[in-house]
Amino acid sequence: EVHLVESGGGLVQPGGSLRLSCAASGFTFSSYWMHWVRQVPGKGLVWVARINTDGRTTTYADSVKGRFTISRDNAKNTVYLQMNSLRAEDTAVYYCERDLGGRDDSWGQGTLVTVSS
Amino acid sequence: QSVLTQPPSASGTPGQRVTISCSGGWSNIGGHTVTWYQQLPGTAPKPLIYSNSQRPSGVPDRFSGSKSGTSASLAISGLQSEDEADYYCVAWDDSLNGYLFGTGTKVTVL
Repeated sequence: EVHLVESGGGLVQPGGSLRLSCAASGFTFSSYWMHWVRQVPGKGLVWVARINTDGRTTTYADSVKGRFTISRDNAKNTVYLQMNSLRAEDTAVYYCERDLGGRDDSWGQGTLVTVSS
Repeated sequence: QSVLTQPPSASGTPGQRVTISCSGGWSNIGGHTVTWYQQLPGTAPKPLIYSNSQRPSGVPDRFSGSKSGTSASLAISGLQSEDEADYYCVAWDDSLNGYLFGTGTKVTVL
């Protein structure tokens, strides 16, 4: 069974940093593109970033470009989201996702990031 | 246009058919496939339809998707109380060079 488990969320001050992790199991992790999607509680879904299978190709939403970095460690079956220069508007539940739009699309349960002083 | 517009709400009685639209442009829906998600309160989104009209294993055939030009639709036939949820479409957008989610539709079963 596919499992995606996010961790690393929490409360951080504006301008601070946080690194989210997503541990994958139950499938061949290195075969899938991975994504991060966020959702402000009560609001809609927003795509954040994606990374290809070997980690060499990444794409970001304009709202996080230059501040967030997506990476992966295929030996550890884990994808990361390094978030720097955090703003109040980055407050959201962050979901890790496999194969967005594909047949094997799967989501984690999400981790809440709160940016507040 | 780099926005995927959905109606904020839709409703029906048990057994009825409900249709949700997702309107975009040539940079997104017009040139790429559409995926639909169902999000129950307090849970992560669940894939319902991929590649415009394909259902992942385990998704009931009451859910169907279609696409024409720059618009897509999700239909729920035989509406059930457990279908009460938020529904989102998503497609790649060439102008944004990223994925674009729809504005979301809340389905209520009367």
